[in-house]
Amino acid sequence: EPEVTQTPSHQVTQMGQEVILRCVPISNHLYFYWYRQILGQKVEFLVSFYNNEISEKSEIFDDQFSVERPDGSNFTLKIRSTKLEDSAMYFCASSYTVGETQYFGPGTRLLVL
Amino acid sequence: KQEVTQIPAALSVPEGENLVLNCSFTDSAIYNLQWFRQDPGKGLTSLLLIQSSQREQTSGRLNASLDKSSGRSTLYIAASQPGDSATYLCAFMDSNYQLIWGAGTKLIIKP
Repeated sequence: EPEVTQTPSHQVTQMGQEVILRCVPISNHLYFYWYRQILGQKVEFLVSFYNNEISEKSEIFDDQFSVERPDGSNFTLKIRSTKLEDSAMYFCASSYTVGETQYFGPGTRLLVL
Repeated sequence: KQEVTQIPAALSVPEGENLVLNCSFTDSAIYNLQWFRQDPGKGLTSLLLIQSSQREQTSGRLNASLDKSSGRSTLYIAASQPGDSATYLCAFMDSNYQLIWGAGTKLIIKP
């Protein structure tokens, strides 16, 4: 069964460093998403992406964040200058259309020191 | 601000029992509602999706209902098994196609 994959599974970085989180969505899906979950808190929407541009973004998704689909398979989330409060589990998801089931990857646990 | 509340926050029941998890939301203009399962340190697995025009969905031992007028959804698990132990999250898609999440119900099924 097709699945969403994410790399790396864990990443530790120093405050101020740039990180890139990678995702491979399900191949025939058209909509891509990033969410985060700070430890012990609710899952939060960050951004949705369709047709090579951002569809929606939350107030969390400020200028420090960017997304890109550099080729036909990868979908990336870049955090330019990480802060301590960026430590969280980051989930990528994809869906065929906007109203259908979103399928999630296993997540990348980011720790900013 | 849209809110999703899940009650109870935690539930521990013996194996074999039927149980109901509750989810309430403040925005009646939802696009759809999804129930997810999250295992410790793992990703999110979609269990059921109910479109706003639907009243319920079933998959195996799981049944989810949706009552938009009262802002409620329930997830019914029949004949619970230890393997059902996980955190169950509900999330609704708002008019901006963003998923708004509850905090989850942590379920423990005792053998």
